[in-house]
Amino acid sequence: EAAVTQSPRNKVAVTGGKVTLSCNQTNNHNNMYWYRQDTGHGLRLIHYSYGAGSTEKGDIPDGYKASRPSQENFSLILELATPSQTSVYFCASGDLRGRTEVFFGKGTRLTVV
Amino acid sequence: QQKVQQSPESLIVPEGGMASLNCTSSDRNVDYFWWYRQHSGKSPKMLMSIFSNGEKEEGRFTVHLNKASLHTSLHIRDSQPSDSALYLCAASPGGNYKPTFGKGTSLVVHP
Repeated sequence: EAAVTQSPRNKVAVTGGKVTLSCNQTNNHNNMYWYRQDTGHGLRLIHYSYGAGSTEKGDIPDGYKASRPSQENFSLILELATPSQTSVYFCASGDLRGRTEVFFGKGTRLTVV
Repeated sequence: QQKVQQSPESLIVPEGGMASLNCTSSDRNVDYFWWYRQHSGKSPKMLMSIFSNGEKEEGRFTVHLNKASLHTSLHIRDSQPSDSALYLCAASPGGNYKPTFGKGTSLVVHP
């Protein structure tokens, strides 16, 4: 089965600090995504990538950066974390051809205090 | 604004009953639809996909798609308590493959 691994699984950060969430996939998928999930908002797309070296802004990119140094790895960076970024973050990967599903990691619970 | 609207927000059905969930996209470029299921504390997993007009059945689950109205529906017959979960609809244009999710429908199947 397709594997998407996120780290850390839980993180407590201080306001104003820098946070990096990491994601690794062994599916050889071109596309990778970062979503956040909050009660009442569902899953919202932050950044996505079509392949190594590419990053694209999703629907809610403000306050976040992304990095895709290789096919397998996709990071989400919060340069100056704020309490409003407290959420559950999911990384996902999928095939560029578009007719396959998106596979999700287990999620990272981030709390900014 | 939410491009993918789901209804109802929550649904309670008795065990053995039929659950019907709806999803509509406001993006005319959408080509693909998926239904994902997310149990509490877990990550979403794809339940069914549909890309063409019509109906698709897999076991107790049936999805319908009307591309003209950009509306899809998921029907679960003989609902089981294990079906209790958040059901998420996702839609994507064919060109850039950027799945957008709705807020979900919370389904509770009571014994």
